[in-house]
Amino acid sequence: GENVEQHPSTLSVQEGDSAVIKCTYSDSASNYFPWYKQELGKRPQLIIDIRSNVGEKKDQRIAVTLNKTAKHFSLHITETQPEDSAVYFCAALAGGSYIPTFGRGTSLIVHP
Amino acid sequence: EADIYQTPRYLVIGTGKKITLECSQTMGHDKMYWYQQDPGMELHLIHYSYGVNSTEKGDLSSESTVSRIRTEHFPLTLESARPSHTSQYLCASSEPGLNYGYTFGSGTRLTVV
Repeated sequence: GENVEQHPSTLSVQEGDSAVIKCTYSDSASNYFPWYKQELGKRPQLIIDIRSNVGEKKDQRIAVTLNKTAKHFSLHITETQPEDSAVYFCAALAGGSYIPTFGRGTSLIVHP
Repeated sequence: EADIYQTPRYLVIGTGKKITLECSQTMGHDKMYWYQQDPGMELHLIHYSYGVNSTEKGDLSSESTVSRIRTEHFPLTLESARPSHTSQYLCASSEPGLNYGYTFGSGTRLTVV
């Protein structure tokens, strides 16, 4: 089955810095890669996703890149703000499956 | 507003009690899921459903059961609660078709004493 590794488990940055969270996956059939943000005490929310036919996708300050050859994908947050502080989960979904495999989460702390 | 709703938000219950966690969605999604989220953040799939009368067990061994009699409703039942069931339970749903993300409910934080 699919295995998703997420690093780092904790990331601490100063406001205005960039943050990068990286995930690797094992199943070359995976073709959909969503990212979720979970603020303290709240539900996880889908913030960006990428499909395997695309190498990069941006939405304002966040971007996701995908390297299918190396089987890794990354979340990039630029100009971080305190409200970016949250736990971020990556996931990978193989074609024909409805059940994603989640990474173990990254706790991002943005210091004012 | 179209969303996914979980009740109760918090629940404290004694060992041995039977409880049902409610999950309903008004988005017309066919697929629904239950996850257990431990204090270390990790999400563990415990049950899922592809539609009415369809239920499957997930990766995490669980003493719970689910039912899917109506598209919008996917309750989770613990026949006999134990302290080891203390956790956050998240319900989620996703659109018909492949390659769609989840919409999560706000969760039920269960404490068994």
